[in-house]
Order: sequence, then structure tokens, then C-alpha cells
Amino acid sequence: SQTIHQWPATLVQPVGSPLSLECTVEGTSNPNLYWYRQAAGRGLQLLFYSVGIGQISSEVPQNLSASRPQDRQFILSSKKLLLSDSGFYLCAWTRDLSVEAFFGQGTRLTVV
Amino acid sequence: AQTVTQSQPEMSVQEAETVTLSCTYDTSENNYYLFWYKQPPSRQMILVIRQEAYKQQNATENRFSVNFQKAAKSFSLKISDSQLGDTAMYFCAFMKYWGSQGNLIFGKGTKLSVKP
Repeated sequence: SQTIHQWPATLVQPVGSPLSLECTVEGTSNPNLYWYRQAAGRGLQLLFYSVGIGQISSEVPQNLSASRPQDRQFILSSKKLLLSDSGFYLCAWTRDLSVEAFFGQGTRLTVV
Repeated sequence: AQTVTQSQPEMSVQEAETVTLSCTYDTSENNYYLFWYKQPPSRQMILVIRQEAYKQQNATENRFSVNFQKAAKSFSLKISDSQLGDTAMYFCAFMKYWGSQGNLIFGKGTKLSVKP
């Protein structure tokens, strides 16, 4: 069966520090991968999606970046965090033959 | 670009009653998918129901059903016989088409509280 792992679950980082959130999918190959941010009162905002290794589409310009170094690994990064980067980050995946999206448990990021 | 609008930030319903959550969307596409996702307080997002745009028949999943009005670009969710476990954030979502180039766009969500 397929599973998605996202870590860490919570993270408190100072302003200006770097960020690396990791998401991995098991039990499938060539998934479509997504990073969403859920800010209070603002719903789910699509940040990045990837249809293959090294292929990243950015939906919202910001100081965040994403990378996909391996087929089932999706990383969200920042060189210098801003206070406005605080939020709940969700990783998700879909596969070509199914439209259902499967979500990770999320990471609560607080930038202080 | 596609947009999804949920005009009800919060709703409440008494246990065992019926509630309808609204969703409208904007797209120039003819083939697409619509979804309702549920995010309980535990935070794990799960799929509730989905609708293929080419299907005229409204999707149903047990107590959950949708009213899909393609011309009006409306996609509401009806929850019958509401249960306490239905308390959650509900997100309406749009996917242009399945396949490697598709992406999933969400509305801002509706917080549903089921009261005993």
C-alpha cells in the first residue's frame, strides 16, 4: 500500500534561518507531488507541484523553493525564513491513473 | 487560471440534521474533476467525494452527496444525518484533468461544527 511521510511535525525557527521540509512517498512510482500552505483563515494555497524528477512548477512567487532529487522525494526549502512563512505545510501526492490526492500529516512551522 | 470559492467560512448543524456547503468555481476547461476534502481536527486530509465534469449524474457516497451544476459552475456538498464526527474543515477542490500535468486547486474552506 502507498504511504506518505512528512517531517518534522512541528518546527520553530528564527527569522532569517534556513528551512528544509521533507516529504517521501512509498509504494508507488512517478507520483505527482504537491506542497501546500495552510495559513489561518486563508485555506490551502498551492505552492509547488512536480510531475517528475527535477520538474518543479511554482504557483506563488516567494522566498520558498522546492526540489525533487528523487522520484518519491519532495523537499521544501528556504534560505532565509520570514515571519510570514509561518503556517501549516502539507505535502500531497496523486498518480496519473487516479485523481484522488493523499496528504501527509503536515508540518506546523512557526517563525519567531 | 482556475479559482475555487467557498463563501461560507463557518457553519453549524444539529446532529442528525442536513447541511449544505456551497462551492463555486471558475474555469474555461470542459473536462475537469471536482472534489470535497475533509480535514478533521487531527489534520489528516481525506477525500470525501469526487465528481467528473463529464458526468451529469451527481455523485453520492453514503450520507454525502453533491449538487453539480456545470453551467452555473456550482458544486455544493450535502451532508445528511449529520454526525459529531463530521465536524471538520471542508475544502472544495478543482483539478483540471487527471494526468501528469494536472494540479489541484482548493477553496479557502468551510468550518463545519456538528452540535449534539
